[in-house]
Amino acid sequence: ENVLTQSPGTLSLSPGERATLSCRASQSVSSSYLAWYQQKPGQAPRLLIYGASSRATGIPDRFSGSGSGTDFTLTITRLEPEDFAVYYCQQYSSSPRTFGQGTKLEIK
Amino acid sequence: QVQLQESGPGLVKPSETLSLTCSVSGGSVSSSTYYWTWIRQPPGKGLEWIGYVYYNGNTNYNPSLKSRVTISVDTSKNQFSLRLTSVTAADTAVYYCGRGGNQLTHWGQGIPVTVSS
Repeated sequence: ENVLTQSPGTLSLSPGERATLSCRASQSVSSSYLAWYQQKPGQAPRLLIYGASSRATGIPDRFSGSGSGTDFTLTITRLEPEDFAVYYCQQYSSSPRTFGQGTKLEIK
Repeated sequence: QVQLQESGPGLVKPSETLSLTCSVSGGSVSSSTYYWTWIRQPPGKGLEWIGYVYYNGNTNYNPSLKSRVTISVDTSKNQFSLRLTSVTAADTAVYYCGRGGNQLTHWGQGIPVTVSS
């Protein structure tokens, strides 16, 4: 299976700052079939990005995704208080679908 | 707007079978456009993909669970279901249903299931 490794495990930033989250795959993710989700405590994950760089419906443009092959990035410019959460990447290029272990974005 | 809602017992005994249902509103499980997926999340841990079902009953399962899992669709009730046999404490998790076989665009709120005697 394609193992996804996210870094860092925890990212401590202040509102207004820029966040850069990484997701590295053990095998190439073809056609950039990679998604990013946000999960807040007690809630289901919410789709942010699919196809590596396409924003899902209703997602603010401060969220952007990039990358291809085995290296992908989620960038959040100008952090808002509601952006502090756990973020997961997921590949759907191969089966089984797999998720990264998550990056916790916390308030500094 | 499509909504999904999980239901089922919150407590299952070891070695027994976990059975959950996902009810879909605002959309149809009979649609050929979408796959319907189950995901789980053990307490304090990350997300694990269990598998998905298509409207015609075709399925795709995580090999790590394949021998114990069945996902089925009931078009007459607009629902799809998860069965996981021979459960152990390692199956304790929040179980989510979702729409999509690739990225999941819509998720249920999740149902916590504890495996304990």
